[in-house]
Amino acid sequence: GAVVSQHPSWVICKSGTSVKIECRSLDFQATTMFWYRQFPKQSLMLMATSNEGSKATYEQGVEKDKFLINHASLTLSTLTVTSAHPEDSSFYICSASSGEDNSPLHFGNGTRLTVT
Amino acid sequence: GQNIDQPTEMTATEGAIVQINCTYQTSGFNGLFWYQQHAGEAPTFLSYNVLDGLEEKGRFSSFLSRSKGYSYLLLKELQMKDSASYLCAVLDSNYQLIWGAGTKLIIKP
Repeated sequence: GAVVSQHPSWVICKSGTSVKIECRSLDFQATTMFWYRQFPKQSLMLMATSNEGSKATYEQGVEKDKFLINHASLTLSTLTVTSAHPEDSSFYICSASSGEDNSPLHFGNGTRLTVT
Repeated sequence: GQNIDQPTEMTATEGAIVQINCTYQTSGFNGLFWYQQHAGEAPTFLSYNVLDGLEEKGRFSSFLSRSKGYSYLLLKELQMKDSASYLCAVLDSNYQLIWGAGTKLIIKP
């Protein structure tokens, strides 16, 4: 079945540094990818929607200059958390869609980011 | 290994009740989520259970039995707009989300 690979699965970084998270669709072309953030025992919060070759659409309240999203190819989207702070510590998860009618949304397993 | 099982597809009639089951085997447990997903759209959160029992939220209810590794989502007074995929996901001991493949629910008039 369709697989979305998200890397890394966990990362620890120091305040002020940047962290890049990759999301790859392994066996299908992902025209649309979604990035979520999730705090413990809370629901997924959609951060942004990215379409291949165009700028991401950010949800209200999400800083686009802080959470840089690139979707340069049909199989890869990246989320870069710039100048990370401890409050950015969270669980980030991506999902991908081929964009076809009735196509399911495939999820990565998430990345746990801890900023110290 | 970690595993989440839910039926691939279910069909129900408008106005009726349907129960979507989910069984899981994961390394640890920190909660179970149900999401609704319409084709090509981002999932929307429906419910979260971390303690045993039934959580009711309008037409939707979710039940959890941790000892049995089992949950169900109950949808009442079905409407055509309820036609969607329903995803069961478990947060494991490392707070990694383990997802089921989803149940496609078809509502017929």
